[in-house]
Amino acid sequence: GAGVSQSPSNKVTEKGKDVELRCDPISGHTALYWYRQSLGQGLEFLIYFQGNSAPDKSGLPSDRFSAERTGGSVSTLTIQRTQQEDSAVYLCASRGQGKNTEAFFGQGTRLTVV
Amino acid sequence: KNQVEQSPQSLIILEGKNCTLQCNYTVSPFSNLRWYKQDTGRGPVSLTIMTFSENTKSNGRYTATLDADTKQSSLHITASQLSDSASYICVVSAQYNTDKLIFGTGTRLQVFP
Repeated sequence: GAGVSQSPSNKVTEKGKDVELRCDPISGHTALYWYRQSLGQGLEFLIYFQGNSAPDKSGLPSDRFSAERTGGSVSTLTIQRTQQEDSAVYLCASRGQGKNTEAFFGQGTRLTVV
Repeated sequence: KNQVEQSPQSLIILEGKNCTLQCNYTVSPFSNLRWYKQDTGRGPVSLTIMTFSENTKSNGRYTATLDADTKQSSLHITASQLSDSASYICVVSAQYNTDKLIFGTGTRLQVFP
């Protein structure tokens, strides 16, 4: 597709279950970002990838959170043993090479932990 | 203290009026600054991007200004429309890591008829 695609768009899960969120970046974009946005709050940085490596994982809130990127394309964000405080919108963005290139966002995955 | 601070947190204006949103940052050395618009329930969409050598950039009714000396930027919206109701987010990159996007918490703008 032409834009950043995230799936699922909505996910309701029971506390304690694991979830996987997927991001398909724009083709050819080398940088990929994951952010979290709680209701009415700003964007919270989680992790970013340059190619398949993650130079900055500093935003991952706990070891229950992990992310990977394969083939320099698709990325998955995995949350293990979900907690209610994990409920939020998870946004993915991608950027092409060059420091002044635009970052394009997906529509997000709304995660609700019940 | 956040590296990117925005004000006001929220703003209500009447349709047709102008408004100005502020962004102050401490990120240094500075590389570029972006303004994004985020409609409710959607991902942010880029409005402008400016490097340290640019003072102003327009995108339709949106005009962004940048003062790299005082580390301040503003986003001016002219002749507001109902569709301008959204959150406006200021995002800064540093020269030491242009890949990392540092987000402000945004200004929530509501335009009423």
